Amino acid sequence: NAGVTQTPKFQVLKTGQSMTLQCAQDMNHEYMSWYRQDPGMGLRLIHYSVGAGITDQGEVPNGYNVSRSTTEDFPLRLLSAAPSQTSVYFCASSRRTGPTYEQYFGPGTRLTVT
Amino acid sequence: DAKTTQPNSMESNEEEPVHLPCNHSTISGTDYIHWYRQLPSQGPEYVIHGLTSNVNNRMASLAIAEDRKSSTLILHRATLRDAAVYYCILRDAPRRDDKIIFGKGTRLHILP
Repeated sequence: NAGVTQTPKFQVLKTGQSMTLQCAQDMNHEYMSWYRQDPGMGLRLIHYSVGAGITDQGEVPNGYNVSRSTTEDFPLRLLSAAPSQTSVYFCASSRRTGPTYEQYFGPGTRLTVT
Repeated sequence: DAKTTQPNSMESNEEEPVHLPCNHSTISGTDYIHWYRQLPSQGPEYVIHGLTSNVNNRMASLAIAEDRKSSTLILHRATLRDAAVYYCILRDAPRRDDKIIFGKGTRLHILP
């Protein structure tokens, strides 16, 4: 299994541009989520999905859209990039272990908005 | 959602045991205690989880207080590779509105 893959690894955008961060997992996990991590900070939840066709907002959803048309893919769209969105973005999927979940994280996408 | 409190940073000497504390005084009866760690420039990785009883795996041990209001992650013999940020989070049984919230964690420094 490749686990959780994210593309691109690095991206530089100009203010106002839009783009999509890709996330895919090949473990047939139902639960997927997106986090952002600013320098020296913990992870903040942007959006999450408990299954195909179902998405919901996390702590910091403004400026981002998501969709979940398949179990495998969970793309994150930046609608109009702003310097405040400069961050490292992590995608994660969750494996059910009995009555709880374990999360598996991708390697991250480092985004700079100028 | 129940929250956790961890020290911002800790130091330990190489090859000595490390005890990382976590307070979760508002934990509910169905919350599982999970620990993750994040090595430099990497995504977080799962370490261990438990409900009531102490747990051991190849990476660490988890000691849970009898009243479940606190827990301790134990690294039995720290190495330089264990230098990371350690996150303690609570997770209820899966439900439709499950939000997994990470705090700032504890930054563990290992001294050679």
